[in-house]
Amino acid sequence: AQKVTQAQTEISVVEKEDVTLDCVYETRDTTYYLFWYKQPPSGELVFLIRRNSFDEQNEISGRYSWNFQKSTSSFNFTITASQVVDSAVYFCALSAQAGGTSYGKLTFGQGTILTVHP
Amino acid sequence: NAGVTQTPKFRILKIGQSMTLQCAQDMNHNYMYWYRQDPGMGLKLIYYSVGAGITDKGEVPNGYNVSRSTTEDFPLRLELAAPSQTSVYFCASSRLRGPNTGELFFGEGSRLTVL
Repeated sequence: AQKVTQAQTEISVVEKEDVTLDCVYETRDTTYYLFWYKQPPSGELVFLIRRNSFDEQNEISGRYSWNFQKSTSSFNFTITASQVVDSAVYFCALSAQAGGTSYGKLTFGQGTILTVHP
Repeated sequence: NAGVTQTPKFRILKIGQSMTLQCAQDMNHNYMYWYRQDPGMGLKLIYYSVGAGITDKGEVPNGYNVSRSTTEDFPLRLELAAPSQTSVYFCASSRLRGPNTGELFFGEGSRLTVL
């Protein structure tokens, strides 16, 4: 069985602070994919990143960066110099196996509510 | 730029009523999914489809049915609505192969309340 745990239920920061959202996962599969999705107050889900289990290289996209550590089964997400527009619920998700419908059969964490105050 | 379209956006049902949530995508995606999101929880998979005529159960299928007669449409039917089905429902689709395979494209969600 797969499991995704986001230990932080809510985080509150002041604008321009850096913030890290933690994600720990469990799976018995050797091939899997990890995702981060953003859910702003409007309610839609926005894809942020996909990382496969064979690629432990960290990734940076603008103010966003992701740290994947297989040894600790973690896939943490950092926002640098946070902005009010970053306020949202962020979900970490896991999809095991390569190819086929497993891609979309995601196991989600419970989400972290991030509030960035001006 | 329609993407994934869900209707209705809001609905209130009485216990025991039935209804269908509609989902359509115009991206020619093979895979489609229905998730539900309960307050303070992540999304859970209800049903999914790998193509027209093929559907399968996800993690929480009880009380729901789906059909996939075309590539574009994937309706979710609630039979005999119960208060436990009060939730926000998301339809999603994804590509079979190619760049960004695995990225789910979500609809805006349908908020259902059963009283």
